[in-house]
This record gives sequence, C-alpha cells and structure tokens, in this order.
Amino acid sequence: NAGVTQTPKFQVLKTGQSMTLQCAQDMNHEYMSWYRQDPGMGLRLIHYSVGAGITDQGEVPNGYNVSRSTTEDFPLRLLSAAPSQTSVYFCASAGGASRKNEQYFGPGTRLTVT
Amino acid sequence: GNSVTQMEGPVTLSEEAFLTINCTYTATGYPSLFWYVQYPGEGLQLLLKATKADDKGSNKGFEATYRKETTSFHLEKGSVQVSDSAVYFCALRGNTDKLIFGTGTRLQVFP
Repeated sequence: NAGVTQTPKFQVLKTGQSMTLQCAQDMNHEYMSWYRQDPGMGLRLIHYSVGAGITDQGEVPNGYNVSRSTTEDFPLRLLSAAPSQTSVYFCASAGGASRKNEQYFGPGTRLTVT
Repeated sequence: GNSVTQMEGPVTLSEEAFLTINCTYTATGYPSLFWYVQYPGEGLQLLLKATKADDKGSNKGFEATYRKETTSFHLEKGSVQVSDSAVYFCALRGNTDKLIFGTGTRLQVFP
C-alpha cells in the first residue's frame, strides 16, 4: 500500500493563478480531509468528505473547492491564489465514514503564493 | 471552544536525555487526546492516544497520561534517540469529532 499520496511536493504560484493539489489513497477509506499548516497555528481543517459525492466545509474553507468523484481521490482546488494561501497542505484519510477513526496523513504539499 | 496549547520549541536534547513536551487543553465534555509525530519530509503519524481520564497511552517508549484534573496530556520519554528528532503535535477530538491540533513542538536530539 502506498497509503496517502500527495502531488506536487512543492509549488510556487503567482497571485491570481489557479491550481489543483492532488490527493489519493489506496486504503479504500471513506473519510478524506484537507488541512493547512501555518506557523504558530497548528493544522486547520479546510474541507472534508465522508464518501464519494459528499463534501463539506471545515473551519477555513474560503478560497478552496473540493470534489469527490471517486473513493480514492480528493483534489483541492485553488481558483485564484492569494498570498494568504501560502502554507503547507496535508491530505488525510480514515477508514469508515467517520473522522473518529485514526487518520492517515500524506507527506504534504508546500505552496508559496507570490 | 476546544483548544490545545503545547510548549513552543525547538526542544534540544542530547541523546539518552529525558524528554517532556507539555500539552494542555480546553474542552467541554470528555475529549479523546492524541500525540502525532511528523518526521522530516513525511506526513503526520499517530504516536499514541488516550480516550478517558487516567488512561496512559504508550508507544515506542513514549508515554502520556490523560489528566483531567490538570487538563493535561504531557508527552514523556525516558531516553531519547537521534531518530526521535521530529515535530510532535498534541491534538484532541471533542464532541464534534473534529481533530483540534496544537501548534507543534520541534524536537532536536544530538549525539
């Protein structure tokens, strides 16, 4: 099992550009989520999904879109990047449809917006 | 609301030294408490957990005891190794089932 994979590892964008951060898991997990990690702020939940076709907002969803067309994939889209979105992004998944179960994290994507 | 406070780093230790990383929390009800570890270049991994008061979580020589009276979940290890160098996150899961993370503490162990 590869676990949770994320691409790219690093990305630099200019303000206003769009991009998609990819996340995939091969553990047949129903629950998937995106977090951002900022200095002095810990990890904050952006969006999550409890199964294919179902997504919901976390605590910091503004500026990000998600979709869940398959169980395996949960891409995060930035439609118009802003410097405030400079951060490290982590994708996570958990068995079953509940975030109560242990979450497995990907290695992260470091995004810089200039 | 729920929150987690952990000591700022970096914590710098020599090999075989005793480690304590402090974590305190604020929560309503009876949260579950966790320590996650992030090794360089990797994602977070669950290190240990405790789901009720006085429970002790342990793994890889690390321990933490759920202390409701002091709202704390301090991480300890009796003898650290260079390979323990990482960032450690304290987290809680409350009645909304959402994970709330602390800011992370970087541990650097030198030979």
